[in-house]
Amino acid sequence: DAGVIQSPRHEVTEMGQEVTLRCKPISGHNSLFWYRQTMMRGLELLIYFNNNVPIDDSGMPEDRFSAKMPNASFSTLKIQPSEPRDSAVYFCASRSRPGGFFSYEQFFGPGTRLTVL
Amino acid sequence: QQQVKQSPQSLIVQKGGISIINCAYENTAFDYFPWYQQFPGKGPALLIAIRPDVSEKKEGRFTISFNKSAKQFSLHIMDSQPGDSATYFCAATMTSGGSNYKLTFGKGTLLTVNP
Repeated sequence: DAGVIQSPRHEVTEMGQEVTLRCKPISGHNSLFWYRQTMMRGLELLIYFNNNVPIDDSGMPEDRFSAKMPNASFSTLKIQPSEPRDSAVYFCASRSRPGGFFSYEQFFGPGTRLTVL
Repeated sequence: QQQVKQSPQSLIVQKGGISIINCAYENTAFDYFPWYQQFPGKGPALLIAIRPDVSEKKEGRFTISFNKSAKQFSLHIMDSQPGDSATYFCAATMTSGGSNYKLTFGKGTLLTVNP
């Protein structure tokens, strides 16, 4: 089992540049989540996709952030233009269709550590 | 309010001791309470979870205690080991309704177990 795959693992960029983070969810999972983790705010849900459709993007900080899921096996989170306050660890997580006690488990990827200078 | 308050922020325990992390929630519609464990450089991973129809759930050295009337739940790690050193997050969600995807996380507890 490959688990959730994220790339890149580390990204260092300069303010104003475009950043694209990538995620491959676990095969067969139909829900995908993007989170941001910082010391100050903890784990924040940015956006939730169900069957490739964005359902809840209320956590996306502002218009500089956008996310897509063109198919069941790939999603991107884009920041354009990036700012130093976007520096954080970004996690992608996936989940299967709820149907039993543990089907609410979200499987997290290893994260992308983003540093915006 | 969809908040989950977690304490303490950090905890240092000696090897063999008991680690206790507490969480409190406000939304009485929450009915699934997982704990996630996160090692440095890794994503969080499910450790143990409980539904409010039971007051305790045990898996090995890890136990969740649940107090529905107080809207509190806690994680107990018995015989704590240096390998348990990690950040622990409590979380809560509703398993029915339109928000059954949304895990509300606590801020996390950094546990250090000294050898």
